Amino acid sequence: DAMVIQNPRYQVTQFGKPVTLSCSQTLNHNVMYWYQQKSSQAPKLLFHYYDKDFNNEADTPDNFQSRRPNTSFCFLDIRSPGLGDAAMYLCATSRDSGGMNTEAFFGQGTRLTVV
Amino acid sequence: LAKTTQPISMDSYEGQEVNITCSHNNIATNDYITWYQQFPSQGPRFIIQGYKTKVTNEVASLFIPADRKSSTLSLPRVSLSDTAVYYCLLGSNAGNNRKLIWGLGTSLAVNP
Repeated sequence: DAMVIQNPRYQVTQFGKPVTLSCSQTLNHNVMYWYQQKSSQAPKLLFHYYDKDFNNEADTPDNFQSRRPNTSFCFLDIRSPGLGDAAMYLCATSRDSGGMNTEAFFGQGTRLTVV
Repeated sequence: LAKTTQPISMDSYEGQEVNITCSHNNIATNDYITWYQQFPSQGPRFIIQGYKTKVTNEVASLFIPADRKSSTLSLPRVSLSDTAVYYCLLGSNAGNNRKLIWGLGTSLAVNP
């Protein structure tokens, strides 16, 4: 059973047209992450939510925003996609339970193409 | 900021043991070492995690020397389906002060 679900798997958007990627989880984990992964590169953390607290990475462009309306769902909004934003976007979750380091569970990713 | 270094690629044959070493000279006291596996067009999958000494699970072993400046992921008796990219990570995802440093990944090719 899928535990971290990303929709859609493939997304084509026009240059400059806002796009939203979605992620849902059935694990009831309190932490959710968004990563960007370009071809032949390691995933790059954009931001994460610790419960409702939003934590932005210092080098994440303002063009990228996120929403987490409840525990199960998290959205990545790209306000004005550029050609350089074409990538695989990965959502992940983990359970933070009082200081214990825990594994992250990743979704299958959404491959974004900008035309 | 700590950095990880791992080989870009490795080749092996079915049935062999594969050891992938990651260097992390500036590892912080509260950093854990984690390894993920990633197949093309899929999200990474957790393999193993450790802090020091040796950790073993059903798929791999992780060896960490006392100084923690390196770690070695050991895959026993690899098969063709183990062909993937393996990432070494440093950091802690516990609490609000989380830093995760991803290595560039090692592309493992298992040949028949």
